[in-house]
Amino acid sequence: EVQLLESGGGLVQPGGSLRLSCAASGFPFSSYAMSWVRQAPGKGLEWVSAISGSTYSTYYADSVKGRFTISRDNSKNTLYLQMNSLRAEDTAIYYCAKYLAGATDYWGQGALVTVSS
Amino acid sequence: EMVMTQSPATLSVSPGERATLSCRASQSVSSTLAWYQQKPGQAPRLLIYGASTRATGIPARFSGSGSGTEFTLTISSLQSEDFAVYYCQQYNNWPPGGTFGQGTKVEIK
Repeated sequence: EVQLLESGGGLVQPGGSLRLSCAASGFPFSSYAMSWVRQAPGKGLEWVSAISGSTYSTYYADSVKGRFTISRDNSKNTLYLQMNSLRAEDTAIYYCAKYLAGATDYWGQGALVTVSS
Repeated sequence: EMVMTQSPATLSVSPGERATLSCRASQSVSSTLAWYQQKPGQAPRLLIYGASTRATGIPARFSGSGSGTEFTLTISSLQSEDFAVYYCQQYNNWPPGGTFGQGTKVEIK
């Protein structure tokens, strides 16, 4: 059974940093691209970042480019999102998700990030 | 910039009735279109990918159609558990990411 378990969310002040982790199990982690998708309170879904399975190519939405860094440790089956220079508009639930041919077929339960003073 | 437009914003349907949701892309995405269901307090769930292929475990009452710029998700006979928000997403330019529509809320009439 595929499982994705996010951790690391919380309350942070504007300009602060936070690192999210996503522990994956139930599939060959290194064989799949992974992504982070966020959802602001009461809003829709926004793709944030993605990383390929083994070449570690990375991709970012314009809204987070230069501030967020996606990475993965295939030996630990873990995906990360380092978030720096956080803004109020980054407040959202952050979902870790597994890719299937461009669509995302499994999602974690989400980690809430709140940016507020 | 790719824009995905879903209609209607809210759809009121009685249990057992058919629901038809639309998604329009601002430019052609071929068949690289997915549909997701999201219930309150839960993560999205993949229903359809490749415009018409049901994901693992998805009931046959869910079907997707379309290509290019016009897509449809049909729920043939709404069950109580189907009342939720539905999102479409194009992934024609993947990688990197994909553009989501704003969602259609299916509510009980």
